Amino acid sequence: DQQVKQNSPSLSVQEGRISILNCDYTNSMFDYFLWYKKYPAEGPTFLISISSIKDKNEDGRFTVFLNKSAKHLSLHIVPSQPGDSAVYFCAASARNYGQNFVFGPGTRLSVLP
Amino acid sequence: KAGVTQTPRYLIKTRGQQVTLSCSPISGHRSVSWYQQTPGQGLQFLFEYFSETQRNKGNFPGRFSGRQFSNSRSEMNVSTLELGDSALYLCASSLAGQNYNEQFFGPGTRLTVL
Repeated sequence: DQQVKQNSPSLSVQEGRISILNCDYTNSMFDYFLWYKKYPAEGPTFLISISSIKDKNEDGRFTVFLNKSAKHLSLHIVPSQPGDSAVYFCAASARNYGQNFVFGPGTRLSVLP
Repeated sequence: KAGVTQTPRYLIKTRGQQVTLSCSPISGHRSVSWYQQTPGQGLQFLFEYFSETQRNKGNFPGRFSGRQFSNSRSEMNVSTLELGDSALYLCASSLAGQNYNEQFFGPGTRLTVL
């Protein structure tokens, strides 16, 4: 049973528009969430994180929103650029888990010029 | 600062063999985690080492093992390889400690089992 779900395997967006990637989790113990970006033949790169004490965190073009009651988080990229085309992984952890992060299956984002 | 390095980058083995993968974390990072990535499954957590001790373990059979050395370098071993072990194996390091820290990933080792 997947504890972290990314129900959209792929997403296509026009350059300059907003990309919204969604992530749902089932374990209410999760209190820290991260987004990673992965290009082919490279390891995932940390993008942005959010603690459960917040409902929004912003870093440049990237904003993560957390809705604890719905056990849902989303990553907004605006404006989207062709270089953002990659696979995006959502990850979650709980304080008792240490550095054990549970990853979702990923969403492949394609930003079309 | 050098990033996380993994060797080898590519490996081809046959069923029944064993394999050892190596990971050198970022200097100063004491936590090393290993993940298996297969298509459609995302990253599956294997185990985490901190100060030469396994601190967390995922749901993988005992054929998967690891260790960490005093310089924080880590190795992962898979014995009696099966076709389903073909995957990208990623190593990630972090500062660890009491607070959460983002993990920094290496490029991975692509293992193919024939």
